Amino acid sequence: DGGITQSPKYLFRKEGQNVTLSCEQNLNHDAMYWYRQDPGQGLRLIYYSQIVNDFQKGDIAEGYSVSREKKESFPLTVTSAQKNPTAFYLCASSRRENTGELFFGEGSRLTVL
Amino acid sequence: DAKTTQPNSMESNEEEPVHLPCNHSTISGTDYIHWYRQLPSQGPEYVIHGLTSNVNNRMASLAIAEDRKSSTLILHRATLRDAAVYYCICQNTNAGKSTFGDGTTLTVKP
Repeated sequence: DGGITQSPKYLFRKEGQNVTLSCEQNLNHDAMYWYRQDPGQGLRLIYYSQIVNDFQKGDIAEGYSVSREKKESFPLTVTSAQKNPTAFYLCASSRRENTGELFFGEGSRLTVL
Repeated sequence: DAKTTQPNSMESNEEEPVHLPCNHSTISGTDYIHWYRQLPSQGPEYVIHGLTSNVNNRMASLAIAEDRKSSTLILHRATLRDAAVYYCICQNTNAGKSTFGDGTTLTVKP
């Protein structure tokens, strides 16, 4: 079945460690996105990519990094520079047109101890 | 992207219609209005989208004001499974990104 797969679903890390969250899609979508969600709040855009080998910062990019070497993959690294990394992270993809429906993964919950 | 404003929460009784409002007064001519909903600990799912005309699908209806500065998501008969956070966003192809606000938490009472 076509869709977006995020892994791992749950992740625990110590302070100061970098963490990479995986996002893979088989929908042949050009655009991919990473969002952060804190308890009781909406989604905030971290990074997005409209095409392979190109990506742009969203509203809260500090302390995060991404790569887009393949169309189907858009991994997010939460670096030690991110002051408060504990959150629910969501990956999404869409066609590039503004009518494109966003397809979301099931999310990755990161807890920093 | 145009900023959207939604009420924090709404309540409905089961099997009654629900009207969820959204204001987007700075919407541009190329922005599409999209609605998504999110269950706890899950990713959001697409509900409906439109540009100018009202839209219907199997999940809901979308009523768009003539000036496009507001829209209303209509659930014709709310069920307990419709209890979720509903997000209204304005999607612009030039921006290439989508920004979500805090949404409306819908509670459905049996």
